[in-house]
Amino acid sequence: ELKVEQNPLFLSMQEGKNYTIYCNYSTTSDRLYWYRQDPGKSLESLFVLLSNGAVKQEGRLMASLDTKARLSTLHITAAVHDLSATYFCAVDALNYQLIWGAGTKLIIKP
Amino acid sequence: GAGVSQTPSNKVTEKGKYVELRCDPISGHTALYWYRQSLGQGPEFLIYFQGTGAADDSGLPNDRFFAVRPEGSVSTLKIQRTERGDSAVYLCASSLGGEQYFGPGTRLTVT
Repeated sequence: ELKVEQNPLFLSMQEGKNYTIYCNYSTTSDRLYWYRQDPGKSLESLFVLLSNGAVKQEGRLMASLDTKARLSTLHITAAVHDLSATYFCAVDALNYQLIWGAGTKLIIKP
Repeated sequence: GAGVSQTPSNKVTEKGKYVELRCDPISGHTALYWYRQSLGQGPEFLIYFQGTGAADDSGLPNDRFFAVRPEGSVSTLKIQRTERGDSAVYLCASSLGGEQYFGPGTRLTVT
C-alpha cells in the first residue's frame, strides 16, 4: 500500500526566511504533484514532477524529486506572507489515482 | 477557459436523507475523480472515471455511495441514507491523464 508522509505538518516562520517541506512515499512512483490550498478554498496545482532529478521553480518556490530516495522537497526562499497556505504533496499510485500527504500548514509572519 | 465547477457549494441535510452532488469537468477532459476531504486532512480518493465508466471505485467507503457519469462529461455523486460521518468537503477533479484540476468543492453537512 502506498503511503505518503509529509513533514512538518505545521510550520510557522518569519518573512524573509528559507525553509523546506519534505514528502516521503513508500513505494515506487515517478509522478509527484504539489498543490496549495488556501483556507476554505480548493486545491491549486503548483508543480508536476515526472522523473528522477526533476526540479521546477516558480517564484519563491522550488520543488525537486528523487525517485530513488522516494523523496520530494518543496523549498521556500525568502518567504513572504502571501505564501501562507496548506501545501500538499500527492503521489501517483495507479491509473493516476493520487495518494495524498496530510498537508503542511504554513504560516508566515510579517 | 472554464474550470471544474461543482454544485451545490454547500449542502445541509438531515441524517438518513439522500443527496446528490454534481461535478462539471473541464471540457474535453476524459478523466474525472471524486475525493472527500475532512478538516485538517488531505483528500481521500473515492472514485475515478475514464469516459463513462468507473475505472476504479475502490475508494467508495460503502454501498451507500454511488457515482455516475452517463455521457462522459458531468458526474453525479449520490449518497443514500446519509450519516453524520459523511460530513466533509467533496472535491471533484478532471484531467487529460496527468495533472488534476480541482473544482471548488461541495461542503456537505449531515445534521
